[in-house]
Amino acid sequence: AQSVTQLGSHVSVSEGALVLLRCNYSSSVPPYLFWYVQYPNQGLQLLLKYTSAATLVKGINGFEAEFKKSETSFHLTKPSAHMSDAAEYFCAVSSTNTGNQFYFGTGTSLTVIP
Amino acid sequence: NAGVMQNPRHLVRRRGQEARLRCSPMKGHSHVYWYRQLPEEGLKFMVYLQKENIIDESGMPKERFSAEFPKEGPSILRIQQVVRGDSAAYFCASSPSLARTEHFEQYFGPGTRLTVT
Repeated sequence: AQSVTQLGSHVSVSEGALVLLRCNYSSSVPPYLFWYVQYPNQGLQLLLKYTSAATLVKGINGFEAEFKKSETSFHLTKPSAHMSDAAEYFCAVSSTNTGNQFYFGTGTSLTVIP
Repeated sequence: NAGVMQNPRHLVRRRGQEARLRCSPMKGHSHVYWYRQLPEEGLKFMVYLQKENIIDESGMPKERFSAEFPKEGPSILRIQQVVRGDSAAYFCASSPSLARTEHFEQYFGPGTRLTVT
């Protein structure tokens, strides 16, 4: 069975501050892990993905995430928040054993304070 | 290369009516997935289809919901006799055949927001 837990449904940071969004996964097989961003009334846009290559994954818009197997985590970070980063962020897990099904976390709403 | 297309973007139905949601995958993609997002929640998997085949419908409600992906044309998610609890955003995603790519990801459409009055 696979699942994702996102700690903190709401995160607020000041503009220019570090962004840290947490994601912990559960998987009985090697996982594929993804971060998606959703702006209001829009679909999901892929930020980055981990597919068993490098454990530190760089994505778009300055975001990156590190796969830590020992901690079953895939936290999303960005060194300096921009106002345009305000959105909903979803972590997802999948594997070839799940028939391509993605399991999403409940999301973290990021607010950036000017 | 156009992305995943969904229409309509917004759909209002009265209780008891039928809702039809359409999804055209990205060019070259043969796998389609439907997800439902309830307010303040994450996306929940509903169904996974390939052309003319339902691969996994473990997330579909047992009644009133059906999905198809015909040989020609878009994938359709059909909800019969809608109830207020069906109000949600429905997202479609597509991916290429796993055999042809090492990049295992799904590309999402903009969603259809269904409101049942």
